[in-house]
Amino acid sequence: EAGVAQSPRYKIIEKRQSVAFWCNPISGHATLYWYQQILGQGPKLLIQFQNNGVVDDSQLPKDRFSAERLKGVDSTLKIQPAKLEDSAVYLCASSYRWGADTQYFGPGTRLTVL
Amino acid sequence: GIQVEQSPPDLILQEGANSTLRCNFSDSVNNLQWFHQNPWGQLINLFYIPSGTKQNGRLSATTVATERYSLLYISSSQTTDSGVYFCAVASISSGSARQLTFGSGTQLTVLP
Repeated sequence: EAGVAQSPRYKIIEKRQSVAFWCNPISGHATLYWYQQILGQGPKLLIQFQNNGVVDDSQLPKDRFSAERLKGVDSTLKIQPAKLEDSAVYLCASSYRWGADTQYFGPGTRLTVL
Repeated sequence: GIQVEQSPPDLILQEGANSTLRCNFSDSVNNLQWFHQNPWGQLINLFYIPSGTKQNGRLSATTVATERYSLLYISSSQTTDSGVYFCAVASISSGSARQLTFGSGTQLTVLP
């Protein structure tokens, strides 16, 4: 069974530029999550989707971050414009069900904002 | 929101030694997972264990939900066990959010 796929693996941009990350969850998984992991900290949830609907985006900085999940499968997370403090690893995860279920993580995208 | 505390923050072991990692949480949970983040950053799910005991090879975990803690046991440690171990929980009282909250992790280094 293929795992969660993410691209790109690394991205370096200058502040005020825009960037997008892509995630393909495990086949059949209805729930998809985006996390931000700053160096030395645990991952923090940004947004979670159930199929193609947003379940929770309370911790997403909506003035600069946006996310969508097309047709309930792939998802894209965008940052526009980027700030220095957005430098982090962006992790995508998926689970079969929403809530009390095992989450499986992708390899992440390491973003550096200069 | 729910608070998650992990201890110890750092642990250095000689290969072959055993260790116990602890996770305390501040509310009733319906989801608790242990993850290993390897030196390349990949988060690997070790256990889904909101209650009870599970074992997988040299690893085992116990969650005592009524006392709000979970333990991860690593026996006969190997250098490949090095990395950061995270506990993550979702609170029953979080309602529709059901989001996982991660602890700050335990950095484990196993020396050859």
